[in-house]
Amino acid sequence: GEDVEQSLFLSVREGDSSVINCTYTDSSSTYLYWYKQEPGAGLQLLTYIFSNMDMKQDQRLTVLLNKKDKHLSLRIADTQTGDSAIYFCAESYYGQNFVFGPGTRLSVLP
Amino acid sequence: DVKVTQSSRYLVKRTGEKVFLECVQDMDHENMFWYRQDPGLGLRLIYFSYDVKMKEKGDIPEGYSVSREKKERFSLILESASTNQTSMYLCASSLRGTVNTGELFFGEGSRLTVL
Repeated sequence: GEDVEQSLFLSVREGDSSVINCTYTDSSSTYLYWYKQEPGAGLQLLTYIFSNMDMKQDQRLTVLLNKKDKHLSLRIADTQTGDSAIYFCAESYYGQNFVFGPGTRLSVLP
Repeated sequence: DVKVTQSSRYLVKRTGEKVFLECVQDMDHENMFWYRQDPGLGLRLIYFSYDVKMKEKGDIPEGYSVSREKKERFSLILESASTNQTSMYLCASSLRGTVNTGELFFGEGSRLTVL
């Protein structure tokens, strides 16, 4: 079946940039997403990118999509302690057949 | 503010007990989903529903059933709980159709421990 992979842990210092990477296998994906899960909470959509785009920027967040390599990344500029959370990469075909990665736990060190 | 509400945040049950997890959404969404979340495994789809009284099996339906009698409510049932069903259960909803991003709206989760 389709698969989404991401590293499980990332530690950065406060103020540095964080880059979380993700690879996926489904070439028919139309949307790729980054969800954030704070401790004890459900998932919340952070940002998404349509498959015909290469890049999307939203304040401190930059999403890069390399469709040829099926690689997605999320860059968080000026990482703060409040960014500590689990970040899930996910893909879908027009909102159907969501596939989630295992999640990357981001720890922000003071 | 849009909301998906899961009735129980924390439950402790004994092996063999019947468990009901309730989920209600107030966004008039057609689609509703139940996932379980385990460390290192991400989210795995248990069941989903695209309409009232409709249900479809996800990737790991064994040991679970669901009920959708009303559009806003989607219930997950564990007929006879087992220790390997100890997990975090997440309910989600979304709009039907291909003209939207398909964003899933999640509840806060129900952490179930089966002893």
